[in-house]
Amino acid sequence: AQSVTQLDSHVSVSEGTPVLLRCNYSSSYSPSLFWYVQHPNKGLQLLLKYTSAATLVKGINGFEAEFKKSETSFHLTKPSAHMSDAAEYFCVVSDSRTGGYNKLIFGAGTRLAVHP
Amino acid sequence: DAGVTQSPTHLIKTRGQQVTLRCSPISGHKSVSWYQQVLGQGPQFIFQYYEKEERGRGNFPDRFSARQFPNYSSELNVNALLLGDSALYLCASSLGTGSYSYNSPLHFGNGTRLTVT
Repeated sequence: AQSVTQLDSHVSVSEGTPVLLRCNYSSSYSPSLFWYVQHPNKGLQLLLKYTSAATLVKGINGFEAEFKKSETSFHLTKPSAHMSDAAEYFCVVSDSRTGGYNKLIFGAGTRLAVHP
Repeated sequence: DAGVTQSPTHLIKTRGQQVTLRCSPISGHKSVSWYQQVLGQGPQFIFQYYEKEERGRGNFPDRFSARQFPNYSSELNVNALLLGDSALYLCASSLGTGSYSYNSPLHFGNGTRLTVT
């Protein structure tokens, strides 16, 4: 069965410093992995996705993630944090089967705080 | 282009009542999924509908039901509400084109905040 573990429930950084949000996954086959962001009182926005193409995936707003099969990790990074990056981030694995079935399995989330 | 729209945005109900939540997918999207997000947790899968048929169901009781209409909009119904049903209910749509649905990312609405008192 697929699952994801987000290793940090809270991460705090200063504006302009790098961001690292850690995620490990478990999957019985080659997974599709995603990062979603949720700002307060908003729905979920897709940051980036990995679907067995390039292992380094670039997303929106300067975020990127690297798929490492040997480590079963899919960590999210950004070189320089901005105040607007403060939000909840979810690492997600897709449980997909034929016939139009597409279930997302979410991690517990990491709350990112950015300080001036 | 309009995104996924959900109504109402907020709802307050009493234990034992019934509630209906509505969702309109992005134009051209044929798949609609519902997720429940309890405060402080990640969303949990409730249902997926594709081409008006149920394609997947999460670990939720039979009090939860849904349907998809010919225009691909969807309703989620919850009967006999419990305090524990208080949550943000998220609807998501995708192209969901058959076996390639895993490459079709979900686009989420802003959700309906349900409070059960």
